[in-house]
Amino acid sequence: DTGVSQDPRHKITKRGQNVTFRCDPISEHNRLYWYRQTLGQGPEFLTYFQNEAQLEKSRLLSDRFSAERPKGSFSTLEIQRTEQGDSAMYLCASSPVLSGQPQHFGDGTRLSIL
Amino acid sequence: DQQVKQNSPSLSVQEGRISILNCDYTNSMFDYFLWYKKYPAEGPTFLISISSIKDKNEDGRFTVFLNKSAKHLSLHIVPSQPGDSAVYFCAARTGGGSEKLVFGKGTKLTVNP
Repeated sequence: DTGVSQDPRHKITKRGQNVTFRCDPISEHNRLYWYRQTLGQGPEFLTYFQNEAQLEKSRLLSDRFSAERPKGSFSTLEIQRTEQGDSAMYLCASSPVLSGQPQHFGDGTRLSIL
Repeated sequence: DQQVKQNSPSLSVQEGRISILNCDYTNSMFDYFLWYKKYPAEGPTFLISISSIKDKNEDGRFTVFLNKSAKHLSLHIVPSQPGDSAVYFCAARTGGGSEKLVFGKGTKLTVNP
């Protein structure tokens, strides 16, 4: 069973640049989630999709952040005009639609803003 | 405000003994609780969960207890093994149709041989 895959694992960029991350969920998982984790904190919810529909967005997801899941399979998270405060681990998770099923996480993309 | 709190940043136990990790929450609408384990440079790994309508769930060496009146849950690991050394996160689902998980800050468990 292939787990959640995230690419790239690490991204270093200069402030003001745009970055895009990709997440491939566990096959047949209809739900896909994005979280952000900073040092010493637990993951914080950003947004989630059921199939291609984005059903919930956190207030943390500012105008500079956009997530897509165009065909209900992989998802991308784009951050425009990156800021120092965007430095974090970006985690993707997936789960089936069945009630009471846990979210399974990928190993994340670590973003460092210079 | 932090809705899920893990008040112990770290815990150290001897191999073979019991590890008890605690978690408190404030939102009575949470309907599902989970524990995740995280090793460095890896994503969180699901361990065990419990529905808000239950008070105990057991899976091998891991047992989760839920006390709704106290808004408290705990994870028991018996017997503890050195490979259990990791950061443990408590998480709660907000319910009401939301799938959002709210996480605590984590407790670093060290199991000494």
